[in-house]
Amino acid sequence: DAKTTQPNSMESNEEEPVHLPCNHSTISGTDYIHWYRQLPSQGPEYVIHGLTSNVNNRMASLAIAEDRKSSTLILHRATLRDAAVYYCILSLGSNFGNEKLTFGTGTRLTIIP
Amino acid sequence: GAGVSQSPSNKVTEKGKDVELRCDPISGHTALYWYRQSLGQGLEFLIYFQGNSAPDKSGLPSDRFSAERTGGSVSTLTIQRTQQEDSAVYLCATQGLRGGVGYTFGSGTRLTVV
Repeated sequence: DAKTTQPNSMESNEEEPVHLPCNHSTISGTDYIHWYRQLPSQGPEYVIHGLTSNVNNRMASLAIAEDRKSSTLILHRATLRDAAVYYCILSLGSNFGNEKLTFGTGTRLTIIP
Repeated sequence: GAGVSQSPSNKVTEKGKDVELRCDPISGHTALYWYRQSLGQGLEFLIYFQGNSAPDKSGLPSDRFSAERTGGSVSTLTIQRTQQEDSAVYLCATQGLRGGVGYTFGSGTRLTVV
């Protein structure tokens, strides 16, 4: 499996944008980039995924580098409820139902009031 | 149901006892995954079901661990002769056939072996 590298922790001020980086230099052409987050005492929650183009949804934006060797999850206006561990994961395809996702240690995001 | 339901939410058991953990998926979700998460650690894959069959059991840590799924719905993870190192949060995730929105996780079962 292609691996991802994320900072162990980040801090951000409330109501400011947050940019969470992820490096995946060995990504293959068919790998999708997924982001999940895990709030305290809860199971992980799907955030967003993409292949080549930048993606936006109600939770966040995903910016994918042109060479696809890195990506950035963008929270446009952080709130205290965004404090969580954020996981960047690669999968072989968007056919979610046929493969497991391998979770790393993620980035622990702290929001400062 | 509206979400993935796991029961019990907490389980304390004595070393050497057997335990069963249950996962009720979202109705119609065909893919089901079990993970476990030890304190302060990342998620460790255990087993994956597509319908009632398990194409990938590679993450089960020993033969004390087994899982089944019936009717393409409820899944049970069984741990026999529990050991203290089995203490963890056991998480279930499901995925619908059409995909597109990723896994939906339950809140997990916190297992403590004393």
